[in-house]
Amino acid sequence: DAKTTQPNSMESNEEEPVHLPCNHSTISGTDYIHWYRQLPSQGPEYVIHGLTSNVNNRMASLAIAEDRKSSTLILHRATLRDAAVYYCILRIFSGSARQLTFGSGTQLTVLP
Amino acid sequence: AAGVIQSPRHLIKEKRETATLKCYPIPRHDTVYWYQQGPGQDPQFLISFYEKMQSDKGSIPDRFSAQQFSDYHSELNMSSLELGDSALYFCASSHTGGQLPLNTEAFFGQGTRLTVV
Repeated sequence: DAKTTQPNSMESNEEEPVHLPCNHSTISGTDYIHWYRQLPSQGPEYVIHGLTSNVNNRMASLAIAEDRKSSTLILHRATLRDAAVYYCILRIFSGSARQLTFGSGTQLTVLP
Repeated sequence: AAGVIQSPRHLIKEKRETATLKCYPIPRHDTVYWYQQGPGQDPQFLISFYEKMQSDKGSIPDRFSAQQFSDYHSELNMSSLELGDSALYFCASSHTGGQLPLNTEAFFGQGTRLTVV
């Protein structure tokens, strides 16, 4: 999977929105942008994914830049349970593409 | 809803022993992934299977092997265990149904914590 760049850590106050950025300047037209998160001592958990248009689901929103070289995961109201490592992953068409490559994510700390 | 089930949850082995980890994907999921996560590390992709055939291979040591059985459960076999194999091992599954897997989500199990002493 192609490379993504995320800040190592971010802090947010509880019940405030959180914007988690991701740069993926080498993205190609068929690459999907996926976000997963991992709470302490748990398996990664799918959050959201998109291709070109912004996406919303019950967990979060994904805002994708017009040139697709960056995206932002938006948690509308952070809770203490949202404290986790958030991974931005590009899924590229390579071989059978049946792999998810985790890079270094963003450790989100939520302050009460 | 059914989730990905991994067993055992914890395993302690001695150096040079073998270990077998099991993964039961969500029913009707056609793809299984295995990951290794060392202490303080990000998950590293090991291997994946699609419809019981090996699909993609990542940084899986030669001492490790995996297979997927007719009932779709998968096993990761590790031989000649080393201290450095101590890690959390995650299995994930997804349903692609013939779509590009790029557009599907993967569901992860709770992991097996392997400790090699």
